[in-house]
Amino acid sequence: AQSVSQHNHHVILSEAASLELGCNYSYGGTVNLFWYVQYPGQHLQLLLKYFSGDPLVKGIKGFEAEFIKSKFSFNLRKPSVQWSDTAEYFCAVEKTTDSWGKLQFGAGTQVVVTP
Amino acid sequence: GAGVSQSPSNKVTEKGKDVELRCDPISGHTALYWYRQSLGQGLEFLIYFQGNSAPDKSGLPSDRFSAERTGGSVSTLTIQRTQQEDSAVYLCASGNGYNEQFFGPGTRLTVL
Repeated sequence: AQSVSQHNHHVILSEAASLELGCNYSYGGTVNLFWYVQYPGQHLQLLLKYFSGDPLVKGIKGFEAEFIKSKFSFNLRKPSVQWSDTAEYFCAVEKTTDSWGKLQFGAGTQVVVTP
Repeated sequence: GAGVSQSPSNKVTEKGKDVELRCDPISGHTALYWYRQSLGQGLEFLIYFQGNSAPDKSGLPSDRFSAERTGGSVSTLTIQRTQQEDSAVYLCASGNGYNEQFFGPGTRLTVL
């Protein structure tokens, strides 16, 4: 069965530090890839997405992610985090064939940025 | 414009009762999804509506769960004979046909 793995459940870092959150998936076919963020008390919001083309995608708030097909990975990065980046981050995968429209989410990574 | 709305925001019910959760998608979105977010389980897909096509119900955990979408817009998720393990946040999302899903604030269901 397809799975989506996020390597870290909790990350604590200081403002201005760099952030990288890992995401791997197990499905071998064509996929669409997403990172969603859930700020405290708010609903899930799309950070960025990859469908095709340039494997380095840029999203909102200075986030970017790189799709490495050979590694089945879609890691999220931000060079310098701010306190307002404290949130839970979810990687999601959509198979483009038989599971069109169904997002399979990773377990999420809780990120805490300290002042 | 308005986003996805869900009601109620919180629901507390007794074990064995039926509950209905409502989702109002973004106007014009043809796709509507239900997910469940629970401790230890992350986010799970439940059901997916696309236009007038038969819904994809493959994620519904049991036959106590059902959903309908009236007029291609509002959707209701019904859980019959609720159990304590049904306690979770139920999220609705709607889609614009570009594979992007916009999520609502969720309904927190607590089954006592």
